[in-house]
Amino acid sequence: AQSVTQLDSQVPVFEEAPVELRCNYSSSVSVYLFWYVQYPNQGLQLLLKYLSGSTLVKGINGFEAEFNKSQTSFHLRKPSVHISDTAEYFCAVSAGAAGNKLTFGGGTRVLVKP
Amino acid sequence: GAVVSQHPSRVICKSGTSVKIECRSLDFQATTMFWYRQFPKQSLMLMATSNEGSKATYEQGVEKDKFLINHASLTLSTLTVTSAHPEDSSFYICSARVSLSGGMFFGSGTQLSVL
Repeated sequence: AQSVTQLDSQVPVFEEAPVELRCNYSSSVSVYLFWYVQYPNQGLQLLLKYLSGSTLVKGINGFEAEFNKSQTSFHLRKPSVHISDTAEYFCAVSAGAAGNKLTFGGGTRVLVKP
Repeated sequence: GAVVSQHPSRVICKSGTSVKIECRSLDFQATTMFWYRQFPKQSLMLMATSNEGSKATYEQGVEKDKFLINHASLTLSTLTVTSAHPEDSSFYICSARVSLSGGMFFGSGTQLSVL
């Protein structure tokens, strides 16, 4: 079975500052990694995903993430945040195939302050 | 990207009644859909995997007679919360995958409040 740990439950950050959200996973088989964003009372929107190839993945809204197999991490970064980035962010993993069921981390709430 | 429509977005019902939530893939066929439950300020917990034309696979601890799942077509899965009670109040989200190697797309969620 796989598991996902998001080390920070909340991350306050000032507007235009960089942000990094940490995600670590464990799995006994090959994994596919995802970051999703959730705005209040809404579903999840895919930010980016790692399936194979380059370990640096670029997503929407200026986000990027780096897959580090040796550290079993998939941290999400953005060099300059906006107020509109205030949301809940979830790291997720599927094992064996990209379309298998997802296991989510606990989520990280990003609060961007003016 | 692929679009998944979930309806209703919000429902309030009396204790003891049943509520049906629909999840539709609008522009693709989804042989498999997933149902999640999310409590306030918590993560998503997978409830069941819904396969078209067969019985759903429930996660451990999820009551299959309480949460009835039907996946009658390649574009529609429904979750029926039977005899709902206040503890069933939660945010329910569905997702659908395009293929085993493809991505997962989520509905916008349903906020269920049982009075």
